[in-house]
Amino acid sequence: GAVVSQHPSWVICKSGTSVKIECRSLDFQATTMFWYRQFPKQSLMLMATSNEGSKATYEQGVEKDKFLINHASLTLSTLTVTSAHPEDSSFYICSAVDRVGEQYFGPGTRLTVT
Amino acid sequence: QKEVEQNSGPLSVPEGAIASLNCTYSDRGSQSFFWYRQYSGKSPELIMFIYSNGDKEDGRFTAQLNKASQYVSLLIRDSQPSDSATYLCAVKAGTASKLTFGTGTRLQVTL
Repeated sequence: GAVVSQHPSWVICKSGTSVKIECRSLDFQATTMFWYRQFPKQSLMLMATSNEGSKATYEQGVEKDKFLINHASLTLSTLTVTSAHPEDSSFYICSAVDRVGEQYFGPGTRLTVT
Repeated sequence: QKEVEQNSGPLSVPEGAIASLNCTYSDRGSQSFFWYRQYSGKSPELIMFIYSNGDKEDGRFTAQLNKASQYVSLLIRDSQPSDSATYLCAVKAGTASKLTFGTGTRLQVTL
């Protein structure tokens, strides 16, 4: 089956620094990838839709200047959390959509900002 | 009003029993419906999807869809302790790829 990887799987950073999370579709090409955030005991909240070769579409309330998304190739999207703060600590999950519209989730990245 | 609603639970069922998980949605334009299982600290994994009214069975799992009443359910037969997880209902409108998730129902299967 289709595999989506994320790197790193967990990261701890200091407040004010930036963190980059990578999402890769390993065995298929994905023109669309999604970035979600999940706080403890809450559901997945869509942050943005990442389209290869174009600007990401952000959901209402998500700061595009804080959460930078780059989808430079058909197999890679990156999310950069800029000037991270403790309230940005969360579980970040990406998903990738294949050519027939099936969506596959990555394993997630646990971000802790101290 | 939330777009996709689920009872947060926990829903506790004894091993071997049938677990019934329910989900309602508000967008009548929703076309595709998905059930995901999520273990603590892990990302969701797809269990089943359903597009048409009625039942769809896959092993111990049965998804039921009623578009007129705007609800979708998941039945788990012969529940096992390994089924203990949070079950997320998600819907997709039309041909769009974006999924809208419910808050999930936590299922506990007791010995």
